[in-house]
Parts: sequence; C-alpha cells; structure tokens
Amino acid sequence: ETGVTQSPTHLIKTRGQQVTLRCSSQSGHNTVSWYQQALGQGPQFIFQYYREEENGRGNFPPRFSGLQFPNYSSELNVNALELDDSALYLCASSRPETEVPTPNDPNEKLFFGSGTQLSVL
Amino acid sequence: AQTVTQSQPEMSVQEAETVTLSCTYDTSESNYYLFWYKQPPSRQMILVIRQEAYKQQNATENRFSVNFQKAAKSFSLKISDSQLGDTAMYFCAFMKRRAGNMLTFGGGTRLMVKP
Repeated sequence: ETGVTQSPTHLIKTRGQQVTLRCSSQSGHNTVSWYQQALGQGPQFIFQYYREEENGRGNFPPRFSGLQFPNYSSELNVNALELDDSALYLCASSRPETEVPTPNDPNEKLFFGSGTQLSVL
Repeated sequence: AQTVTQSQPEMSVQEAETVTLSCTYDTSESNYYLFWYKQPPSRQMILVIRQEAYKQQNATENRFSVNFQKAAKSFSLKISDSQLGDTAMYFCAFMKRRAGNMLTFGGGTRLMVKP
C-alpha cells in the first residue's frame, strides 16, 4: 500500500457535465501527476504539478485542468465531459529530481493511488 | 517523443515456471529510466523493477530480473518461480531523465499464472 489516496473510487456522470477528482500525495512528496487509463490500454500522462504549478502536460485538451494545494494534494477537473472520457484516472506522487533522494524513495519512483473509475453516460 | 511497445497482449505460465515479457521502446534520448509496473485487479500500479539506462548491469529484484539491451532498445522482464499472485497486467514504462517524473507506458501484457 502506498500513501496516495484518491477519491471517489467510482463516479458516474452524463455527457456535458463537469467532474472533480481528488488525490492526496504521499508524505514528503511535492510532485503530483495524473494519468488517464482507458479500458485495455496503458495509462497516458495528463499533466504534472510541482509546488502548486503545472510543469508538464500531455496531449490533452484544455478542458482537462488541475490544481495543487499548499499541502500538495491535487485535483483533476474535467469540463464538458465526453463519452471517451470514461476511464480510470490515476494519480501518482513523487519527489522531483531536483531534491535529494533517499535510498527507499528515489526521485524517479512514482507512488500510485488506486484510481477513480469514471463512467460517462 | 518516446514510444513503448509491448507486443504480447496476453501470456500464461504454469505456477513455479519462468516467463518472459517483452518490451521495446523508441527514443532519441541517451539518459533515461525504464520500469516494469504490475497492475493487479485492485488497479493500483505497483513498481516491480527499474533500470537506469547508463547502467549496463541488468536490474534484479528477487524473482524478477530484466534483460536490458540498450542498442536494440529492448527491455524484457523475466519472472522466475511464477506464483499465483503474479497474475496481473504488466506495463513497461519509460521516463526521460531530468525532464520531470513523467512516464510513457506501453499497452500492457496480461499475465495469467495457472495452478
């Protein structure tokens, strides 16, 4: 078990609605990244936050947005939901490479939550 | 941009036997990490093993080992003495070094360990 928690675990929305997913990062981690995993596929990188600022983004439209709070927890917001947004959304926390790693927590190691399963009807 | 390819959608192995999962990747980078992640039905991604590209020595973690061929851009995972608990989806992933902790995943291999 990692210290990364996501809520809710499951969510059902209808097309056109907006949704907010939440993630609490592992203690000591100030970098949070979000991934979308469609059924039967590998996760795809959405974006990453470091110290409350977005510092990397994948090939996702602007209706996917995020926030990171001073306690390093994070939200993923999706506006104008489409059927293709149905997926498992995974959050991962890590230390950034700019910080001193520890043997059990190297900077490149991501700790994942169990995800939020979003269904858009 | 990087791509990661897993050419085996599904594999099965008998308990206690050895299985090898394949992964190839394409990148112009010279400094990077490669990973194998396991995703059981609980959906949580669990790190199995990682390899730093500048290290020639193949990584090992207990029953798990990799065959890293940098020139061929190949990174296979060998599971020895397979156990029922190894049944899961396995994903190969790439991370460019010094570019933020962003992973590029392959499409996954579903591994079934049979009793």
